[in-house]
Amino acid sequence: DAMVIQNPRYQVTQFGKPVTLSCSQTLNHNVMYWYQQKSSQAPKLLFHYYDKDFNNEADTPDNFQSRRPNTSFCFLDIRSPGLGDAAMYLCATSSMTGGEQPQHFGDGTRLSIL
Amino acid sequence: GIQVEQSPPDLILQEGANSTLRCNFSDSVNNLQWFHQNPWGQLINLFYIPSGTKQNGRLSATTVATERYSLLYISSSQTTDSGVYFCAVGYQKVTFGIGTKLQVIP
Repeated sequence: DAMVIQNPRYQVTQFGKPVTLSCSQTLNHNVMYWYQQKSSQAPKLLFHYYDKDFNNEADTPDNFQSRRPNTSFCFLDIRSPGLGDAAMYLCATSSMTGGEQPQHFGDGTRLSIL
Repeated sequence: GIQVEQSPPDLILQEGANSTLRCNFSDSVNNLQWFHQNPWGQLINLFYIPSGTKQNGRLSATTVATERYSLLYISSSQTTDSGVYFCAVGYQKVTFGIGTKLQVIP
């Protein structure tokens, strides 16, 4: 089935050690999103790609970067993780080619910082 | 940016009961979605409903865009309906409300 796949499901890293989370999609959607969700909070949009155009939210820390090498893949890089970056990271896609445009989410990567 | 408010924040239901969840938003929107986040953290898209009414089994949703609100109806609730229900609005830049945490007890 077409879907949004996030790897790994759980990620543990050390304080200050760079970490990369990955997302792939088989839906051929042109928009990909990264959200951060902390416990008992709503998902918070970090940035999104509309095709190759990168859109960063104003309050996303510089510590968070993203890459989208092709339509199918998108990466979230955290350059120097701090304890406050422990959270669930959710990737989503949508198609902005007209008609209904629901978002489809992956199962998330739960990041822990030691 | 757009503000999204959801009510009630918490809801406990007896299995078989009906409920209505509400989402208010501060500006006109052309994109509104309802999601269910299950206890394992998976976010499932329930409805894409910028206006009008849709039904899917025991769930239905209505959005009145001119009055800036949307309602999610859950009928004959089941324990598997437990979790957090989010309303999300916006085109490209999608903003989530804080959610309604629903617990359905047997």
